[in-house]
Amino acid sequence: GAVVSQHPSRVICKSGTSVKIECRSLDFQATTMFWYRQFPKKSLMLMATSNEGSKATYEQGVEKDKFLINHASLTLSTLTVTSAHPEDSSFYICSARQGAEKLFFGSGTQLSVL
Amino acid sequence: QQQVKQSPQSLIVQKGGISIINCAYENTAFDYFPWYQQFPGKGPALLIAIRPDVSEKKEGRFTISFNKSAKQFSLHIMDSQPGDSATYFCAASFPPGNQFYFGTGTSLTVIP
Repeated sequence: GAVVSQHPSRVICKSGTSVKIECRSLDFQATTMFWYRQFPKKSLMLMATSNEGSKATYEQGVEKDKFLINHASLTLSTLTVTSAHPEDSSFYICSARQGAEKLFFGSGTQLSVL
Repeated sequence: QQQVKQSPQSLIVQKGGISIINCAYENTAFDYFPWYQQFPGKGPALLIAIRPDVSEKKEGRFTISFNKSAKQFSLHIMDSQPGDSATYFCAASFPPGNQFYFGTGTSLTVIP
């Protein structure tokens, strides 16, 4: 299957700092990428839909000023958690859609805010 | 509102047995139904998928059964192995290119 690369896999930061997570589709172009948050032993919670060249669409309850998404090219989307706080600690996962149907996921980023 | 309902939440199966996970949906506009497998600390990986014009799809030990009239679909893992121990998510999506709706996940443990 297609490969989606997500970096970093783990990040620890101090409260108040910003963290950037990258999501790249390595062997296909992805017009649309999705960002999810996952709590331990829970399902995937869609945070936002990232469309290349346009503003991201955020799900209800997700602060767009806190979770900045940039989809600058057909192979790269970034999520920046601004002024991170301990409650932002979570597992963040990106996915990229190949064609109309198939969705491929990155390996996830475990964010720990101290 | 949960668009896709998944059960059971957890499942323990003996090695060699059959694991069955069920999902149900309400919206008949869904036309693509994938299953994902997720190991701890990793992102989900596409396992197998089906469209509503077929009732069954098999890939190796994994089979999706689809019942369009009942709006249900299930994943069967034949000859379950300890390496199959993971969390499984069903999903559904609209055409074309809309977001995916995920089930709540099933934690499968296959005991030797």
